Amino acid sequence: AQSVTQLDSHVSVSEGTPVLLRCNYSSSYSPSLFWYVQHPNKGLQLLLKYTSAATLVKGINGFEAEFKKSETSFHLTKPSAHMSDAAEYFCVVSDRKNTGFQKLVFGTGTRLLVSP
Amino acid sequence: DAGVIQSPRHEVTEMGQEVTLRCKPISGHDYLFWYRQTMMRGLELLIYFNNNVPIDDSGMPEDRFSAKMPNASFSTLKIQPSEPRDSAVYFCASSLRPPRRYEQYFGPGTRLTVT
Repeated sequence: AQSVTQLDSHVSVSEGTPVLLRCNYSSSYSPSLFWYVQHPNKGLQLLLKYTSAATLVKGINGFEAEFKKSETSFHLTKPSAHMSDAAEYFCVVSDRKNTGFQKLVFGTGTRLLVSP
Repeated sequence: DAGVIQSPRHEVTEMGQEVTLRCKPISGHDYLFWYRQTMMRGLELLIYFNNNVPIDDSGMPEDRFSAKMPNASFSTLKIQPSEPRDSAVYFCASSLRPPRRYEQYFGPGTRLTVT
């Protein structure tokens, strides 16, 4: 069965410094991987996705993630944090099979705090 | 597009009362999902529909929970009777058919408090 582990429950950065949110996955098949963001009192929004094309994936708001099969990782990065990036971030995995629908499995989330 | 619409945004009810949560998916999306989010258990998939048909309800916690999708533009999640442990944020999400069915669009959620 597929699973994801988000290695940090909280990450604190200063505005203008790089962001790194770590995620490791486990999957029986070729996985699809996603990052979602949830701002306070809002629904989840898709940031970016990996579905077997380029291993470096670019998303919205300057975020990107790199799929590393050898390390079973899909870390989320951003070169320079902005105050508006403060939110909860979820790493998500889904096994891609030829048939049937595989559920999305959400990580426990990483809360990103950005200080001035 | 207005996105996924959920109502009400907040619901406070007493234990034993019936609660109905509503969702309007994005037009043209074939899949609809109901999730529950709590601090203890994170985000859990309760049930999902494909073309208005319930496909997997294995995440529904117990018989007190039921969900319907009478047409492509409306779904309900009902809890009867409600209990304090049902307090959570309930999200509805929708997605397109393959190959984009894994990209889910979430509504703003309904915060349910059962006293």
